[in-house]
Amino acid sequence: SQELEQSPQSLIVQEGKNLTINCTSSKTLYGLYWYKQKYGEGLIFLMMLQKGGEEKSHEKITAKLDEKKQQSSLHITASQPSHAGIYLCGADKNAGNMLTFGGGTRLMVKP
Amino acid sequence: EAQVTQNPRYLITVTGKKLTVTCSQNMNHEYMSWYRQDPGLGLRQIYYSMNVEVTDKGDVPEGYKVSRKEKRNFPLILESPSPNQTSLYFCASSFVQGTEAFFGQGTRLTVV
Repeated sequence: SQELEQSPQSLIVQEGKNLTINCTSSKTLYGLYWYKQKYGEGLIFLMMLQKGGEEKSHEKITAKLDEKKQQSSLHITASQPSHAGIYLCGADKNAGNMLTFGGGTRLMVKP
Repeated sequence: EAQVTQNPRYLITVTGKKLTVTCSQNMNHEYMSWYRQDPGLGLRQIYYSMNVEVTDKGDVPEGYKVSRKEKRNFPLILESPSPNQTSLYFCASSFVQGTEAFFGQGTRLTVV
């Protein structure tokens, strides 16, 4: 089955700083999804990447999928307290199934 | 508004008392799935369904049952809950594989 490893597991940054979260797969990724979760709440979809080398941005968040389609990164520029939460990467599982997820990265932004 | 609705949001129950967590989506999605989230273990899939009357086991199905009699509903049944099923549960749905999944707000279950 698809194994997704996220790093770091947790991150504390000062407001205004940039940060990067990584997601690495043991297999080629055919669909890579980034979600954000506020503590104890549901997951909010951020972005989906499908092609090698693809990059997408939304506001101050940029996600990239490497050419080999086995690693993705999520970059936040000029972090704000509103960026705090848990970031999860997900990937399409076996045919006919839904997503499998990495362990998550817990982000705290200090004002 | 397009959404996945879970009920209840919070539940405390006793060991062995059967319970059902309901999940409903209003987006006519084919795929639905249940996950549980535990500290240090991330989100793990319990069961999933590709369509009505089609369900299959995920990674941690033991102690759970599901049914998909209608497209919009996908209830999670715990016939005899045990304390190790204390967790945060999420229902999700998507149109087809390879598309964005929508998640419910979660059900925090405590089994004492």
